[in-house]
Amino acid sequence: NAGVTQTPKFRVLKTGQSMTLLCAQDMNHEYMYWYRQDPGMGLRLIHYSVGEGTTAKGEVPDGYNVSRLKKQNFLLGLESAAPSQTSVYFCASSYGGTPNEAFFGQGTRLTVV
Amino acid sequence: AQKVTQAQTEISVVEKEDVTLDCVYETRDTTYYLFWYKQPPSGELVFLIRRNSFDEQNEISGRYSWNFQKSTSSFNFTITASQVVDSAVYFCALSGGNTPLVFGKGTRLSVIA
Repeated sequence: NAGVTQTPKFRVLKTGQSMTLLCAQDMNHEYMYWYRQDPGMGLRLIHYSVGEGTTAKGEVPDGYNVSRLKKQNFLLGLESAAPSQTSVYFCASSYGGTPNEAFFGQGTRLTVV
Repeated sequence: AQKVTQAQTEISVVEKEDVTLDCVYETRDTTYYLFWYKQPPSGELVFLIRRNSFDEQNEISGRYSWNFQKSTSSFNFTITASQVVDSAVYFCALSGGNTPLVFGKGTRLSVIA
């Protein structure tokens, strides 16, 4: 099993460009999450989904949109990238909510210039 | 609101020393779960342990041990006889009420040979 796979692993964007980060999991997990990791800030939740067709906002949702059209995929979109969105993005999935641990992808390093 | 505080930003120890990473949490939930994750230099997030709010027994796994104290809202992590391979960023996280994981800002541990 691959677990949680994120595509791409690295990307450089110009300010104002758009892009979509793809997260795929093969563990049949219901819950999926997008976090961003910034130096000294830990991991902060952007959006999450508790099942196919559902999404919810996390702590830092502004500037991002998400979609969960298929259970195994969770897409994170940046409509108009800003330098403040330079970060490492992690996708995760879990079997359910509390108390299940989350399994993380390898991360996507995004730089917006 | 749930909050996790890891007051130690960076710790440096010499190999074979014992080291304790502190974690203090805040929550209004009566049922909650605490987690520790490890992020080695390669960048992935690795799940280490989960404890529930009703089980205050200390846990030991090899060189790792965890001390959970509800009275002080703490869930500290001790590495005995540290090794260079323990060098990583360690995150404490909290989940309660079926909410996604809330992470602390992490503690960077450097073990020097």
